Amino acid sequence: EVQLVESGGGLVQPGRSLKLSCAASGFTFSSFAMAWVRQAPKKGLEWVATITSGGSNTYYVDSVKGRFTISRDNAKSTLYLQMDSLRSEDTATYYCAKGTIITKDFDYWGQGVMVTVSS
Amino acid sequence: AIVLNQSPSSIVASQGEKVTITCRASSSISSNYLHWYQQKPGAFPKLVIYSTSYRASGIPSRFSGSGSGTSYSFTISRVEAEDVATYYCQQGSSNPLTFGSGTKLEIK
Repeated sequence: EVQLVESGGGLVQPGRSLKLSCAASGFTFSSFAMAWVRQAPKKGLEWVATITSGGSNTYYVDSVKGRFTISRDNAKSTLYLQMDSLRSEDTATYYCAKGTIITKDFDYWGQGVMVTVSS
Repeated sequence: AIVLNQSPSSIVASQGEKVTITCRASSSISSNYLHWYQQKPGAFPKLVIYSTSYRASGIPSRFSGSGSGTSYSFTISRVEAEDVATYYCQQGSSNPLTFGSGTKLEIK
């Protein structure tokens, strides 16, 4: 059974940093791209970042480029999102999602972790 | 970026009714890269349809999808109470990956 479990969320002040983790199990983690998708309160879904299976390529939405870093540790089957210079507009539930090899859909999602940026 | 215009933004339907949601892309997408998700209240999103018309694992046959180019649709043939959710289309054709704004389905 595929499981994705996020952790690391919380309340943080504007300009500070936070690092999210996503522990994966139930599939060969090193074979699949992984992504972070976020959802602001009462809003729709927004793709944040994707990392390829080996970790060599990363992609970001413009609004987080230069501030967020997606990474992975295939030995630990864990995905990360380092979030620096946080802004109030980064307040959202962050979901870890498993990508598919060719069609770039997300076939499994974690339960999400809340990040609140506020003074 | 490819913008996905999803309509309607909300639907109120009776159980047993057929409902259709439309997703129009700002530029042409291969049908391989258009997907649909269901997000029930308080829950994480769930893949329902991938590559325009393929049902994900465990998805009932009342859910279907079709389309090509810039115009895609998602249909529930006979709505059930458990289908109350917000539905999103998503394109995987090019970065940034984008989602439609969502369609909220409610039951009368």
